[in-house]
Amino acid sequence: DTEVTQTPKHLVMGMTNKKSLKCEQHMGHRAMYWYKQKAKKPPELMFVYSYEKLSINESVPSRFSPECPNSSLLNLHLHALQPEDSALYLCASSQDGASYEQYFGPGTRLTVT
Amino acid sequence: AQSVTQLGSHVSVSEGALVLLRCNYSSSVPPYLFWYVQYPNQGLQLLLKYTSAATLVKGINGFEAEFKKSETSFHLTKPSAHMSDAAEYFCAVSVNTDKLIFGTGTRLQVFP
Repeated sequence: DTEVTQTPKHLVMGMTNKKSLKCEQHMGHRAMYWYKQKAKKPPELMFVYSYEKLSINESVPSRFSPECPNSSLLNLHLHALQPEDSALYLCASSQDGASYEQYFGPGTRLTVT
Repeated sequence: AQSVTQLGSHVSVSEGALVLLRCNYSSSVPPYLFWYVQYPNQGLQLLLKYTSAATLVKGINGFEAEFKKSETSFHLTKPSAHMSDAAEYFCAVSVNTDKLIFGTGTRLQVFP
């Protein structure tokens, strides 16, 4: 099974709301990723967790807060977002390290009003 | 620092024609190279990867890519395009880190 699942598929939130995006994989992968993708652009890396520890933060604003409760789950907590944060948020996982391919989830389409 | 360049943001072919999507990379050390496909409103799906085992890599859906060190290229090809191949294609590179560096993408259109 090479599936990464993400919930919800769509999310509309106001600028004062708090919401969370969830990601799950059951492939035994040790690295998990959050990406942001704007229309007609490649994915932009936001965060990387390796062995449940945050290893890369690409200078993401603090209104985005990642969490890795265990090796299968990855959350992205959202608070006080701006309309320009509207995008497709993709989660991915990989075995570990540079040589291993990343498997992507279907994404959450986020709209901030 | 490593980087990826995809020549041609849009490529149009007729159904049954050869598909050629270009990717050039820049890396000071041997890279790991990947091609991903993205259909509208979906996540990215891995087509194939190069990890130095063989220079000609076969992937899913009839796609293949050839690693050419002398040209620093990793072009994606398919002998005969199908309507279902219409999508966005991303080339990506990683070098000794957890980070994937993506190219800007190529939108493939297939006409009947």
